[in-house]
This record gives sequence, structure tokens and C-alpha cells, in this order.
Amino acid sequence: KAGVTQTPRYLIKTRGQQVTLSCSPISGHRSVSWYQQTPGQGLQFLFEYFSETQRNKGNFPGRFSGRQFSNSRSEMNVSTLELGDSALYLCASSLQSGGLYTQYFGPGTRLTVL
Amino acid sequence: AQKITQTQPGMFVQEKEAVTLDCTYDTSDPSYGLFWYKQPSSGEMIFLIYQGSYDQQNATEGRYSLNFQKARKSANLVISASQLGDSAMYFCAMSASNTGNQFYFGTGTSLTVIP
Repeated sequence: KAGVTQTPRYLIKTRGQQVTLSCSPISGHRSVSWYQQTPGQGLQFLFEYFSETQRNKGNFPGRFSGRQFSNSRSEMNVSTLELGDSALYLCASSLQSGGLYTQYFGPGTRLTVL
Repeated sequence: AQKITQTQPGMFVQEKEAVTLDCTYDTSDPSYGLFWYKQPSSGEMIFLIYQGSYDQQNATEGRYSLNFQKARKSANLVISASQLGDSAMYFCAMSASNTGNQFYFGTGTSLTVIP
């Protein structure tokens, strides 16, 4: 099975612009979670989508949004970029077994905001 | 609420030696899972090993084993016969049945393997 794919891998934007990141989960996985990783804050949960519905949300401003399509592919969007949005954005697709989930991550998208 | 603590910011190990990375957790949920991920400098988080709270035996995956001590709430990762390619950040994480797919991550341990 192919793993989780994320595009693009690298992105450079300027303050005030917006950006859209894409994530394709492992075939058969219906849940997609997004994380922001920075050296100062570590891994922070953004949101999770399951069957096209946002199921969980972290503590991020409304500039961060996402969606999931019927084929489970997900996108996240950041509007009005700020310097502090520079980070590695990781996507994870999940498989549930026995009531618990295992998350499998993609390679990430490195976003640099200038 | 769930919490993961990794107290070793950095570790060094000689090539071919074994190393233990510490992880303690806290949860009131009786059903939970514990995970270890490896993150090389490329950025990708690689799933290494999983331990369920009801599993009687410690999980093993090749050179990785999870030393699960339920009473002490610890889930240490043991890497045997370290290789240069093991140099990376290692994250401990957990999920619990009452919080669905919400994962809780520790702050990570940076492992450096010395030739």
C-alpha cells in the first residue's frame, strides 16, 4: 500500500498571502489529522477530519481551516500568513482497531513565511 | 486528560550498543495505546512500535522493543544494536479510547549514534 502523501513538500510565501496544503491518506483510511511542528512549540494538533466532517479541533485561530473530500483526501488552508506560521505541517491518516487508532504520517510540508 | 512526558532532551549512544529512551504517561482511561515515532532530519514521522494497555507482553519490532510497566506508567523504548541511521528525534505518544483519535505527544528525545 502506498503511504501518506503530502504536497507540496516545500513552500515559500510572504506575509499576508494564503496557502493550501494537500494530504492523501493511505487507501482505506478515512481519518486525516493535521499537525503543526515548530522548534519552540513542538507538535501541535490542528484538526481531524473523518468522512468529510471535522471531528476534532485544536487551539488555532480561524485563519487555519481544512476540509476533506469524498475520497478522504484532505486540504488545509492558512489565510493571511504570519511569520509565526513558518513550520513543518504534518498530516496523518489513521486506522482504527479495537477501539484505538494508529496514526501514520506523511513526509510533511515545510512552509516558510517571509 | 492525557499527558506524555519525555525527560531526556538528548541522548548519545555508541554504535552497536543498546539505548533506552524514557517515556512516562498519565491517563485515567483504562483503555489506551502507547506509540513511538522516529523523526529523522527529513521531517517524516515514522511509526515504530505500538503497545496496548491490555497487552500482556511487551511489544517488539525488530531492534525496537517497548518496555511497558503499567504500574509505573512508563513506556520506554529500547533500541538494540544501535546503527548510525538511528540518529533522529524520537517521540512517545498515546491515545485513549475516551478521546478517540486525539493523539498526545511528548516533547521528544534527540538520539545521536556515535561511530
